[in-house]
Amino acid sequence: GQQVMQIPQYQHVQEGEDFTTYCNSSTTLSNIQWYKQRPGGHPVFLIQLVKSGEVKKQKRLTFQFGEAKKNSSLHITATQTTDVGTYFCAVSYTGANSKLTFGKGITLSVRP
Amino acid sequence: KAGVTQTPRYLIKTRGQQVTLSCSPISGHRSVSWYQQTPGQGLQFLFEYFSETQRNKGNFPGRFSGRQFSNSRSEMNVSTLELGDSALYLCASSLAGSPHGYTFGSGTRLTVV
Repeated sequence: GQQVMQIPQYQHVQEGEDFTTYCNSSTTLSNIQWYKQRPGGHPVFLIQLVKSGEVKKQKRLTFQFGEAKKNSSLHITATQTTDVGTYFCAVSYTGANSKLTFGKGITLSVRP
Repeated sequence: KAGVTQTPRYLIKTRGQQVTLSCSPISGHRSVSWYQQTPGQGLQFLFEYFSETQRNKGNFPGRFSGRQFSNSRSEMNVSTLELGDSALYLCASSLAGSPHGYTFGSGTRLTVV
């Protein structure tokens, strides 16, 4: 079936370092969303990307949709301890009623 | 506005029993999706309901079922529980489905013993 890949599953960074993670699909996507789940919490919607090459920023977070609409990146500038959590990408494929499929997520830990 | 409400928050059941979980979406949201979250498998899609109709279904056995009522509230049922059904069950509501961001509830933590 259609799958979305997020690797690695875990990443550890020193506070203040930059962090980038990717989400890859073998199939063209209709849109991609990013979510963050804090330890013990539930996923919280961060952003949605729809257009090819689209770039959106939220404070220190930058999200980009690939030109071919098959991949996306999340970049965090100068990580802080508040960035700790699991970041999921979620994709829907072409089709107005397509379900939202989640990647397995990347768990970010930040050393103070 | 009120968020997505899931009840109960925690549940302990015995193998072979059945369980019903409830989800009240954000007012005005017509789409409700259910996900099973486990450490090994991540978030796995169970089903999506829109205007009382099941619009999408994941790859789960028939023991997993759901429904949506006219007020958009949704329930999911798991019959003949197995140990492997232990998980966090998350409900997500959205205006009309995947083109819109999902708002998740806090989930129901189900433990099967």
